[in-house]
Amino acid sequence: RKEVEQDPGPFNVPEGATVAFNCTYSNSASQSFFWYRQDCRKEPKLLMSVYSSGNEDGRFTAQLNRASQYISLLIRDSKLSDSATYLCVVGGGRRALTFGSGTRLQVQP
Amino acid sequence: EAGVTQFPSHSVIEKGQTVTLRCDPISGHDNLYWYRRVMGKEIKFLLHFVKESKQDESGMPNNRFLAERTGGTYSTLKVQPAELEDSGVYFCASSPANYEQYFGPGTRLTVT
Repeated sequence: RKEVEQDPGPFNVPEGATVAFNCTYSNSASQSFFWYRQDCRKEPKLLMSVYSSGNEDGRFTAQLNRASQYISLLIRDSKLSDSATYLCVVGGGRRALTFGSGTRLQVQP
Repeated sequence: EAGVTQFPSHSVIEKGQTVTLRCDPISGHDNLYWYRRVMGKEIKFLLHFVKESKQDESGMPNNRFLAERTGGTYSTLKVQPAELEDSGVYFCASSPANYEQYFGPGTRLTVT
């Protein structure tokens, strides 16, 4: 079983749609949680950190459920520029990050 | 502010040769990490420096890989001798005191 599991997609959605990605992690001792965005053949870029209280950044909302070991990302009013792979990333006490395989999003005109 | 930089962007070498990858972290970031993505797999951690000290090298695949960070500034990752399975994209990341890591553009290594 992978340490961080994500649905690989692809998610094909029209512009303006709302889309949600989910992720589960296996290590209950995990301490930090992130969503990264990766464009084709580029480096991962930090999208947002995820906190237990939930956090929002513009059209993006992230939630963390420690009891269920579950992380989510909601994107509202999708733009063409949101097309990318979204990586669920978990950090432990030793600070090394553990990556999911990513969920591919394609926003269509 | 300049981001994490990596050199070279691409490297093609033959099996058995040596390759050295370089990473320059964001200025002032004490924490430097190396990661690798091999074809079809997720990004995997290799090791973590705090300044010039190796904090965690649990992800290094074998003793053909040697990482250094002399003086606590830039870091190098040497693969000697390279094998076919070493092909992939090698990412470097840096972070300040918190947990957020910022990635460089990666070095795409092809071993033939």
